Amino acid sequence: GNSVTQMEGPVTLSEEAFLTINCTYTATGYPSLFWYVQYPGEGLQLLLKATKADDKGSNKGFEATYRKETTSFHLEKGSVQVSDSAVYFCALGLNFNKFYFGSGTKLNVKP
Amino acid sequence: DSGVTQTPKHLITATGQRVTLRCSPRSGDLSVYWYQQSLDQGLQFLIQYYNGEERAKGNILERFSAQQFPDLHSELNLSSLELGDSALYFCASSPGDRSTEAFFGQGTRLTVV
Repeated sequence: GNSVTQMEGPVTLSEEAFLTINCTYTATGYPSLFWYVQYPGEGLQLLLKATKADDKGSNKGFEATYRKETTSFHLEKGSVQVSDSAVYFCALGLNFNKFYFGSGTKLNVKP
Repeated sequence: DSGVTQTPKHLITATGQRVTLRCSPRSGDLSVYWYQQSLDQGLQFLIQYYNGEERAKGNILERFSAQQFPDLHSELNLSSLELGDSALYFCASSPGDRSTEAFFGQGTRLTVV
């Protein structure tokens, strides 16, 4: 089947620390991979995406590389800010009409 | 602002009742997706409509139904509500039926008491 597994949170970091949120997937086809972010009280916003193996998605200092050999799409940021505190969802899209989401990882960044 | 509008933002209702959630997609988007986000189940895909037709179905209960109207807005109808239906319901839209990303609304928080 199709599914996404991401590391459980919450993840608590100090400002300017390095962030990694792990995400692995299983898919029956050739998915596109996404990271969405949800700030408190808001909907999900697309953070970055990668549509094929070895693609790197990047946005706002966040990066993730589509690794087909390890079926992974880990999210990284070199220096987090307090404003990055949110819930992060890894997702895969198959045939682009159905998205499968991970359970979400809450990130708390302390000043 | 994603351009996707959901109403109402909050809804409190009693068990056994029926409610309707409304979604207006981004201008020009033909696909609408409905998701349920609950604490124990995470974010679950319910159903997708494309240009008025049902295109994909996920874990949607028989008590739930949806439709997309000619003006492309969509409604999700939840009936015979149970306490376990309390959740955040998101609508998302995308340009086509095979789009590379979806744009989410801010959600409707449903509380069943």
